[in-house]
Amino acid sequence: EAGVTQSPTHLIKTRGQQATLRCSPISGHTSVYWYQQALGLGLQFLLWYDEGEERNRGNFPPRFSGRQFPNYSSELNVNALELEDSALYLCASSFGLAGGPRYNEQFFGPGTRLTVL
Amino acid sequence: AQSVTQLDSHVSVSEGTPVLLRCNYSSSYSPSLFWYVQHPNKGLQLLLKYTSAATLVKGINGFEAEFKKSETSFHLTKPSAHMSDAAEYFCVVSDPDTGRRALTFGSGTRLQVQP
Repeated sequence: EAGVTQSPTHLIKTRGQQATLRCSPISGHTSVYWYQQALGLGLQFLLWYDEGEERNRGNFPPRFSGRQFPNYSSELNVNALELEDSALYLCASSFGLAGGPRYNEQFFGPGTRLTVL
Repeated sequence: AQSVTQLDSHVSVSEGTPVLLRCNYSSSYSPSLFWYVQHPNKGLQLLLKYTSAATLVKGINGFEAEFKKSETSFHLTKPSAHMSDAAEYFCVVSDPDTGRRALTFGSGTRLQVQP
């Protein structure tokens, strides 16, 4: 069974630009989550999508946004990039709202390393 | 509000000796607790999870953790360390509100295994 995949592996942008990160969940999972792992800040929850809708959002500014497509893949967009946005962005997937007792098992992809110069 | 505290930022053991990584949690509800491992330049892998079915939880690669409500702890152990265990380990608590779903991560413990 294929795991969560993310692209690109690495992304280099300059301050003020926009970055788009992509994620494909495990087959059968309808929920997708985004997390930021920045040096010194640890792993922080960014966004949760399920069935195409944003369900929950962490403490991040509105320039962090995303969407989920009908095939449950997801995009994370970061606008007006700042130097402190440099981090590893991890995507995870799980069963959706009707997923039963395993709904809270999140499986992670390898991440996209975003560097802002 | 819920949180987890990993009591050691670095742990160093010799190959073949036991591993103990300590985690304390704080939660207003009966928590779901997890341990994840992250190898260098890799994503996170789920080691094990506690969801109130049994207090001693067995995970992959010989790891296990014991939920102790009286001590609000969920320590991770392994009887004998392997070189391949060297990685960063995260204790995680899940928001019990299914409408929120966010995982709260501890700050991580870096495990070094000496030959």
